[in-house]
Amino acid sequence: GAVVSQHPSRVICKSGTSVKIECRSLDFQATTMFWYRQFPKQSLMLMATSNEGSKATYEQGVEKDKFLINHASLTLSTLTVTSAHPEDSSFYICSARDHGAGPGYTFGSGTRLTVV
Amino acid sequence: AQRVTQPEKLLSVFKGAPVELKCNYSYSGSPELFWYVQYSRQRLQLLLRHISRESIKGFTADLNKGETSFHLKKPFAQEEDSAMYYCAPMNSGYSTLTFGKGTMLLVSP
Repeated sequence: GAVVSQHPSRVICKSGTSVKIECRSLDFQATTMFWYRQFPKQSLMLMATSNEGSKATYEQGVEKDKFLINHASLTLSTLTVTSAHPEDSSFYICSARDHGAGPGYTFGSGTRLTVV
Repeated sequence: AQRVTQPEKLLSVFKGAPVELKCNYSYSGSPELFWYVQYSRQRLQLLLRHISRESIKGFTADLNKGETSFHLKKPFAQEEDSAMYYCAPMNSGYSTLTFGKGTMLLVSP
């Protein structure tokens, strides 16, 4: 079945630095990928929709300059948390839909970001 | 505004007992509805979709448009069903999922 690979699974960074998270669709092409954020014991909140070859669509309240999204190829989307702060610490999850594999979305395994 | 409500944070039952995880939605248009499950230390995965009207791992979910509900049911819970369950409507026009807050199901032996 469709697989989405997300890397890294865990990252610790210092305040003020930037962190890049990669999301790859394996064995299928994804013109659209989605980035979610999940706080402890809370639900997934959609942050943005990543569109291959064009600008990402951000949800209300999500800072575009803070969370940079690049979707340069049909199999790779990246999320860069810029000038990270401790409040950015969270679990970030990407997903994509393989239209040829039936219904539903496939999710990455997530990235635990800790900003110290 | 689009909204999905899962009123129970935690549902604890004994093995063999019936289970119903509630989901109510408030959505414009005709959304597609999904249930996703996240087992411990695993990624989120699709459980079932209302259009398919299928039964997966013994779970079923019926869409009730009058009550705007999509409750997930299983007649006899198993210990391996213990997981976090998310109800997720999707606006077919935008193809984005909105997740409920989730219900943790704990099935005790």
